Amino acid sequence: SQELEQSPQSLIVQEGKNLTINCTSSKTLYGLYWYKQKYGEGLIFLMMLQKGGEEKSHEKITAKLDEKKQQSSLHITASQPSHAGIYLCGAGYQGGSEKLVFGKGTKLTVNP
Amino acid sequence: GAVVSQHPSWVICKSGTSVKIECRSLDFQATTMFWYRQFPKQSLMLMATSNEGSKATYEQGVEKDKFLINHASLTLSTLTVTSAHPEDSSFYICSASGRESDFGNQPQHFGDGTRLSIL
Repeated sequence: SQELEQSPQSLIVQEGKNLTINCTSSKTLYGLYWYKQKYGEGLIFLMMLQKGGEEKSHEKITAKLDEKKQQSSLHITASQPSHAGIYLCGAGYQGGSEKLVFGKGTKLTVNP
Repeated sequence: GAVVSQHPSWVICKSGTSVKIECRSLDFQATTMFWYRQFPKQSLMLMATSNEGSKATYEQGVEKDKFLINHASLTLSTLTVTSAHPEDSSFYICSASGRESDFGNQPQHFGDGTRLSIL
């Protein structure tokens, strides 16, 4: 069974709108990582969350990790076409230089 | 900082050929490197984890004799697809992470991927 569920699978928004992507783990995780990928390219690291209740922001993107460390959300404020891409959450369950389990990704389209 | 270079970005070759893909961390020492495979419109599938100077740890179902991994230094890991066949065609991505710091884990930083097409 999939340990990491990501929703929605795809999202189409109008430029300027806010949006949220969710990532839910079936068990308590050690660290949660958000990445952005453009089709056929590598992943760009966005943010890393390790503490329950942690919240981080970079420009118009905010990521949160719940207190139980099983759910994370990625929120984009006032979306722009440059935000378009595939957003992937990755979960580590053991610490250290750990391998990650990735969600299936959310494809974001931002229409101008 | 934290740049990972992957080469080549695109390979087309005949069935039976062996193909080597390089993954380099350019501005940090990568204690651990990871190799992933990605099918169209699918998520990343971890193939193996390699630590510098030791044998790679392969995920279940990944043939270690088929996908040879060498992590000879703290900045270079290679993946060799031996005797490649059309079913090996895919997008292969490497990532690298540095030493865990006092602040916790270091995130994985990814290369740009290699698109492998076997004819």
